[in-house]
Amino acid sequence: QLVESGGGVVQPGKSLRLSCAASGFTFSDYSMYWVRQAPGKGLEWVAVISYDGDNKIYADSVKGRFTISRDNSKNTLYLQMNALGGEDTAVYYCAREIPRGGVDILDVWGQGTTVTVSS
Amino acid sequence: DIQMTQSPSSLSASVGDRVTITCRASQSISTYLNWYQQKPGKAPKLLIYAASRVQSGVPSRFSGRGSGTDFTLTISSLQPEDFATYYCQQSYSTPPLNFGGGTKVQIK
Repeated sequence: QLVESGGGVVQPGKSLRLSCAASGFTFSDYSMYWVRQAPGKGLEWVAVISYDGDNKIYADSVKGRFTISRDNSKNTLYLQMNALGGEDTAVYYCAREIPRGGVDILDVWGQGTTVTVSS
Repeated sequence: DIQMTQSPSSLSASVGDRVTITCRASQSISTYLNWYQQKPGKAPKLLIYAASRVQSGVPSRFSGRGSGTDFTLTISSLQPEDFATYYCQQSYSTPPLNFGGGTKVQIK
């Protein structure tokens, strides 16, 4: 199970940190994603982090502003979001990546947390 | 990144209809293609992985085909609970696992 928290209403230019608490599986074994969905729009991957935290990749739209991290001792994934703009308004999901049938899939998703950037 | 393009972006259909959604990759991805279903206010749910393998618990009316650059998701007989948005996702060149733009299936 994955449970996100930390969303809310924030002013443009401010910061917010999202958390994703994992349970029911060995968190430290898996790469993890943040995926977002703006109102009325499709799914957009935001960032991914390797199982050990050593490798991180960001979408161009958030590079330099967002930081993904994890604390395997706390079974928690984070997304630090800085310099927020209206384009960052979205529901943010965390998701687990696993191999299945020779391909990688996102098999477990959180319920999502809503971030609204507004003055 | 590999770009994924879905068509149509939306469609209207009736219960019992056969529905086919197309996904095209910007380069060959073999069968590294997954399909997800998302209902309003809910997280996406995996339907099909590796282009044609049905996820456990998914009804048999859902099927996937394709390889290379062209893929389809077919619902053989649309049910009321199938009205949702469907996304394809490539897993050939990862990370990232990027998505197509989605196809919204609406009631006619």
